[in-house]
Amino acid sequence: AQSVAQPEDQVNVAEGNPLTVKCTYSVSGNPYLFWYVQYPNRGLQFLLKYITGDNLVKGSYGFEAEFNKSQTSFHLKKPSALVSDSALYFCAVRALTGTASKLTFGTGTRLQVTL
Amino acid sequence: DAGVTQSPTHLIKTRGQQVTLRCSPKSGHDTVSWYQQALGQGPQFIFQYYEEEERQRGNFPDRFSGHQFPNYSSELNVNALLLGDSALYLCASSLRRNSAYETQYFGPGTRLLVL
Repeated sequence: AQSVAQPEDQVNVAEGNPLTVKCTYSVSGNPYLFWYVQYPNRGLQFLLKYITGDNLVKGSYGFEAEFNKSQTSFHLKKPSALVSDSALYFCAVRALTGTASKLTFGTGTRLQVTL
Repeated sequence: DAGVTQSPTHLIKTRGQQVTLRCSPKSGHDTVSWYQQALGQGPQFIFQYYEEEERQRGNFPDRFSGHQFPNYSSELNVNALLLGDSALYLCASSLRRNSAYETQYFGPGTRLLVL
């Protein structure tokens, strides 16, 4: 069985400062990892994914994530936060089982960026 | 290029009733997955459809059923509604051919309230 842990319910950061949203995972076999963002009353928007290759993945809106196999982590980062980044962030892992490929999500981390 | 669309956006039902939610996948996508997102939680996988068949199912009772049509659109049906079925129901589409790598793109969701 696969699982994702997002240990922080909320992360607070000042605009202009770097941000990190943490994610650890558990999966059998190779992990396929994703970050999504959800704004109020909206669906999930894809930010970035790790499939294979370079451990540093760059995504939309200046976000990036670092895959660390030994620590089974996939932390989301951004060098300089914006107030508009305030939203709910979900980490997800995919495992291939049979002929389907479901996503398993964490419980989400609320990012609050203040002036 | 139209993204994933869902209808209706909001729905209010009473306990015991039945509901049908609809999803049209992103252009070019042939696989549809359904997720339930309860308030304050991450999305939970319900099931996935490809080639008009249910390919994988999450931990949801038989009251939850689905269908995929030849044009790849999909329906989620929930019978005998319970208060606990109140949630945001998300549809995600992807391209089956490279399922290990493909990103699932989400629609805006249908918010169901069961009274």
